[in-house]
Amino acid sequence: NAGVTQTPKFQVLKTGQSMTLQCAQDMNHEYMSWYRQDPGMGLRLIHYSVGAGITDQGEVPNGYNVSRSTTEDFPLRLLSAAPSQTSVYFCASSRTHTSAVTDTQYFGPGTRLTVL
Amino acid sequence: RKEVEQDPGPFNVPEGATVAFNCTYSNSASQSFFWYRQDCRKEPKLLMSVYSSGNEDGRFTAQLNRASQYISLLIRDSKLSDSATYLCVVSSYSGAGSYQLTFGKGTKLSVIP
Repeated sequence: NAGVTQTPKFQVLKTGQSMTLQCAQDMNHEYMSWYRQDPGMGLRLIHYSVGAGITDQGEVPNGYNVSRSTTEDFPLRLLSAAPSQTSVYFCASSRTHTSAVTDTQYFGPGTRLTVL
Repeated sequence: RKEVEQDPGPFNVPEGATVAFNCTYSNSASQSFFWYRQDCRKEPKLLMSVYSSGNEDGRFTAQLNRASQYISLLIRDSKLSDSATYLCVVSSYSGAGSYQLTFGKGTKLSVIP
């Protein structure tokens, strides 16, 4: 049981390039999400998914796309990278999204992205 | 808009000390509350949930005051291994049957030998 995995661990992009951050979980979790963490800002929700085929925007969705074709995978795509997207990106999953006592969120190890 | 606010820190304490972290939240309809721990350059991990009656897990005690919209975390007999950033996290209903988490910026704790 690997939990939540993310690839790559590190990435450097040039402004305007596109790329996809990969996220996978093997816990059969219903809910998956992407956060970015910037110094002094805390974690901010980018996009989330409550199940295969269902995605929605979080607090800071601009410049990012997601898809959820399977329960296991939730890739995050940067359409045209900008320096403002330099950040640490965390993928997370939890069993459900419908509990008032929210199920524990399990985070992946993160992807450190630098956009030049 | 600051929905979850924490002590700015950093907190530098000697081993064996007791340290308290405070957190306030702005959404009075928030449902659930948590403390997460994040080690340097690592992912956040759940430390403990916070209940209105207060709860304890070994050296860690969490308290919630819904009337004041205030959450606290007390660490007794600090260990070197407690050095980390502690994140206050609040769950609120976001519509369509979903709940979402809002994270505080975190408070860094360094336990000194």
